Amino acid sequence: GDSVTQMEGPVTLSEEAFLTINCTYTATGYPSLFWYVQYPGEGLQLLLKATKADDKGSNKGFEATYRKETTSFHLEKGSVQVSDSAVYFCALPPFSGGYNKLIFGAGTRLAVHP
Amino acid sequence: SAVISQKPSRDICQRGTSLTIQCQVDSQVTMMFWYRQQPGQSLTLIATANQGSEATYESGFVIDKFPISRPNLTFSTLTVSNMSPEDSSIYLCSGRNRVDEQYFGPGTRLTVT
Repeated sequence: GDSVTQMEGPVTLSEEAFLTINCTYTATGYPSLFWYVQYPGEGLQLLLKATKADDKGSNKGFEATYRKETTSFHLEKGSVQVSDSAVYFCALPPFSGGYNKLIFGAGTRLAVHP
Repeated sequence: SAVISQKPSRDICQRGTSLTIQCQVDSQVTMMFWYRQQPGQSLTLIATANQGSEATYESGFVIDKFPISRPNLTFSTLTVSNMSPEDSSIYLCSGRNRVDEQYFGPGTRLTVT
């Protein structure tokens, strides 16, 4: 069935470092892909999305490109800040759910130090 | 984006009791969902809340344990019944809008003692 695999964390970076969080997927068809962020003690926030192959989603300095050839949707940011410390989840709507619900990766914790 | 509120934000309950969580969404939402997030884990879908009819449950979740109501388009409740310490989790309400974006409430942190 459809699935999402994320790199294990935690990822620990210094402020202003470059960030990559890997996400690969298995999907029936070509669903939209999403990144969510969860700050400590809060619910999930939609960070960005891409709806078709080669689309680039972007928000708050974060970017991710929908790569059909490599079935990937890696999250990147050129210069992280302490305030980016959170857990990041990659997600997609599986075919088995009629593309309505979401399934999530395991989450990657990011810790940014000054 | 859609605005989603939940209450209570947290609760501590004794085993064997039940807790009902309320979720209110704005009118942009077409579908509503309930998820569980166990400590340090990812999200697992419990069920899709269907307006005016029985919820659609995922494998491993049953109506007797997690009864769900959705009496109208913008309101839903999830009850966690006959609780045990294993039910200690964050319960998240979610709504999907017309452009297939899914938004989440702030969550209800449940601790069962």
